[in-house]
Amino acid sequence: TQLLEQSPQFLSIQEGENLTVYCNSSSVFSSLQWYRQEPGEGPVLLVTVVTGGEVKKLKRLTFQFGDARKDSSLHITAAQPGDTGLYLCAGSGGYQKVTFGTGTKLQVIP
Amino acid sequence: DAGVTQSPTHLIKTRGQQVTLRCSPKSGHDTVSWYQQALGQGPQFIFQYYEEEERQRGNFPDRFSGHQFPNYSSELNVNALLLGDSALYLCASSSGSVVRETQYFGPGTRLLVL
Repeated sequence: TQLLEQSPQFLSIQEGENLTVYCNSSSVFSSLQWYRQEPGEGPVLLVTVVTGGEVKKLKRLTFQFGDARKDSSLHITAAQPGDTGLYLCAGSGGYQKVTFGTGTKLQVIP
Repeated sequence: DAGVTQSPTHLIKTRGQQVTLRCSPKSGHDTVSWYQQALGQGPQFIFQYYEEEERQRGNFPDRFSGHQFPNYSSELNVNALLLGDSALYLCASSSGSVVRETQYFGPGTRLLVL
């Protein structure tokens, strides 16, 4: 069974601060996605990383896939209240079966 | 281009009843996956349908069943509902012919079992 552990579970920070969310597993994934989900809505895809060591940037968000494709991180620079939400990592391992992480609930206080 | 749509948006049932949830995939997608998400947790994979057959299944009992139609839309059926089945049910679509194809999620159906 593939498991993805995210840390921290909860994060409450002031606007303008930086933060990093981690996603770790003992399993290798062919690709890894990061989603953001707002209450009552489905997850919205932020990025997909497929190559070990890959780094992708999306405005103030930086995503990194571990060299061994077992872990990933999401770094947000100068967090804004609009970044508030549940951040989910999800790993794909063949036939598109997706395993979701435990989630990180982020609150950015104005 | 319509994204993934799900119906109904909200549903209230009582224990022991049966429920059917519906999903229409994004245009051009032929694969539908269903997930259950409890409040504050990550989605849990229920099963995936491709070419009208269940291709993969997660750790869910047989009370959870599904179907995919020739137009690629899908249904999720849950029999003998339990209080613990209360959750957000998400449908995701993708292209089954691409191994690393990204899934796109619908807004979900919020099910409350009383």
